[in-house]
Parts: sequence; C-alpha cells; structure tokens
Amino acid sequence: GEDVEQSLFLSVREGDSSVINCTYTDSSSTYLYWYKQEPGAGLQLLTYIFSNMDMKQDQRLTVLLNKKDKHLSLRIADTQTGDSAIYFCAKRTGTASKLTFGTGTRLQVTL
Amino acid sequence: DAGVIQSPRHEVTEMGQEVTLRCKPISGHNSLFWYRQTMMRGLELLIYFNNNVPIDDSGMPEDRFSAKMPNASFSTLKIQPSEPRDSAVYFCASSLSQTQETQYFGPGTRLLVL
Repeated sequence: GEDVEQSLFLSVREGDSSVINCTYTDSSSTYLYWYKQEPGAGLQLLTYIFSNMDMKQDQRLTVLLNKKDKHLSLRIADTQTGDSAIYFCAKRTGTASKLTFGTGTRLQVTL
Repeated sequence: DAGVIQSPRHEVTEMGQEVTLRCKPISGHNSLFWYRQTMMRGLELLIYFNNNVPIDDSGMPEDRFSAKMPNASFSTLKIQPSEPRDSAVYFCASSLSQTQETQYFGPGTRLLVL
C-alpha cells in the first residue's frame, strides 16, 4: 500500500520545539518530503531527504528518518507564530514523479 | 520568476456548468501536475504531464474531468458538467523534469459548485 499517515493537530508554545511525525507503509520510497501550507496558499517545499540518509538539518529544521520503522519526523526549533500552518509529509517511490501525501498536521503556535 | 500561475483563484458556479481551470508552469519546467485538495480525501494527484504529454491520468475521477497541455507554458483542467462534489481546491505544480525532486505549487483555484 501507499498510505502516509500523520496526526491531525499539534499545539506548541512559541519558542518551544515542534516535532511533527509521519509514518508510511511503502518501504521502497526513494525521497521523502515536508511541505508547508499556509492558509489560502499552495504548498511550499520545506525540505526533503533521500532514503539512504538518516538525518538532514537545515537551519531550524531537522528531518529524521527511521527506515526500519518507516517513520519520518520534522523538528522545528524555536517555533515561531509564523510557523503556524499545515505540514504535509509526502513520499516518492523509485523514479516515478507521483507523490503520495499524508493528511497533513495542523501546527498551532501559541504565545 | 513569477512561480506557477493559476487562474481563476476563486470560482463559484452552478451544478451542470462547465468549469475550466488554467495553469502556467514555471518557465523551463517540463513536468506539470494537477492536484485536488478536499477535507475528506486530502491531496490527490489527478494527472501529470511530461513534455506536454499526459503520463499518468489514473487519478482523474471520471469522464467529466479532462486535462490538456497544448504547449509547454499552458495547461487546462476542465470539468463538464460540474457537480457539487467537485468543490475543492485545485492545485497545479511544475518541476524541472519527471525525476527532479522538487515540485513547485501554484496558489490554487478554490472551486465551489452550488
């Protein structure tokens, strides 16, 4: 199957770290992505990781991949109110262009 | 670069009417994708093109939906006749190639069919 699952909602306080989790069922995934969607806008690519990597860091963002458990996470350090959005996990299998998206996690940042 | 351009941004129509959504991909990108986003089904790939040729249309819901890409800088998604269950946000995305990892999304067209 090609299911990609995420929790629906996460609330964190400004300045804290946020961890958004994603699980998938297809072990042949090649690339895994995190997209951000702000209200009324399209999806913006935040970062991606190739399946032979365990971790990728980009400024405040850290992606961790556990291939054995088919688990992907996105950590946002020092979360700001501007980080409030829906975050989508997506995967690509092989060289196919098709991306399979998760249901999205709504991140709410409170003061 | 202006990014992926979609029009209209909002469309309200009555059931049975024809709806045409338009997309201009990023210049130089060879692959174009149409997605639909709803609360119930999330984000679904409808169809994608590579070098103006439809590669995978398995996500197109039914014959009422059709998509064309007459040239490298323009694509349309048409719904005829439209139904209330077609109400959704339709996104267009483009990438440099089929295998290039980054898809760039347009702002979407919010469609409401009454």
